[in-house]
Amino acid sequence: DAGITQSPRHKVTETGTPVTLRCHQTENHRYMYWYRQDPGHGLRLIHYSYGVKDTDKGEVSDGYSVSRSKTEDFLLTLESATSSQTSVYFCAISRGTGNTEAFFGQGTRLTVV
Amino acid sequence: AQSVTQLDSQVPVFEEAPVELRCNYSSSVSVYLFWYVQYPNQGLQLLLKYLSGSTLVESINGFEAEFNKSQTSFHLRKPSVHISDTAEYFCAVIVTGGGNKLTFGTGTQLKVEL
Repeated sequence: DAGITQSPRHKVTETGTPVTLRCHQTENHRYMYWYRQDPGHGLRLIHYSYGVKDTDKGEVSDGYSVSRSKTEDFLLTLESATSSQTSVYFCAISRGTGNTEAFFGQGTRLTVV
Repeated sequence: AQSVTQLDSQVPVFEEAPVELRCNYSSSVSVYLFWYVQYPNQGLQLLLKYLSGSTLVESINGFEAEFNKSQTSFHLRKPSVHISDTAEYFCAVIVTGGGNKLTFGTGTQLKVEL
């Protein structure tokens, strides 16, 4: 895998608690993305980042926040987890313009009970 | 906003038969197009991509896709499938000048049977 580590890989949490997922890259790629994957919906973009401290919302950003204080780390926070946020979360990285292939992490399976 | 449509959620096919997985996108400006593959319990891997130039692109394992601007399509084809091609396939698009936002379709599950 292209130097992407997601942690944790599995997590069970209770409704109403905050949860933070971490994506760490060693490729020095400019763009980082968070997606959620749900049956019948494919991958939906939650947030993405185009540089340190530069982030933007995706199509399903409600209930999620992100931070990128370093090039290598992109954190996804569920501010108050709900059962509808039970999903598999994928981080992806991309060098950006000129070579726009995205590389994906192995995913984090989050269950909110 | 751009969107990607994969009309077929599941495609069953017998081994050695040809297959086509359909993908249409909606955008009035130029785009980059991708097909990704996901094997069970894994992340996504790039299968092939269209950035510019020849409208027919090929992968190393026999898949090909053709960019058709007039029909806004990027269908994936393989003339003869193998059991190991069983996976979920996702079409994706980036609108040029749109901040490198990568948008996916809902995926097509390809199931190859003996």
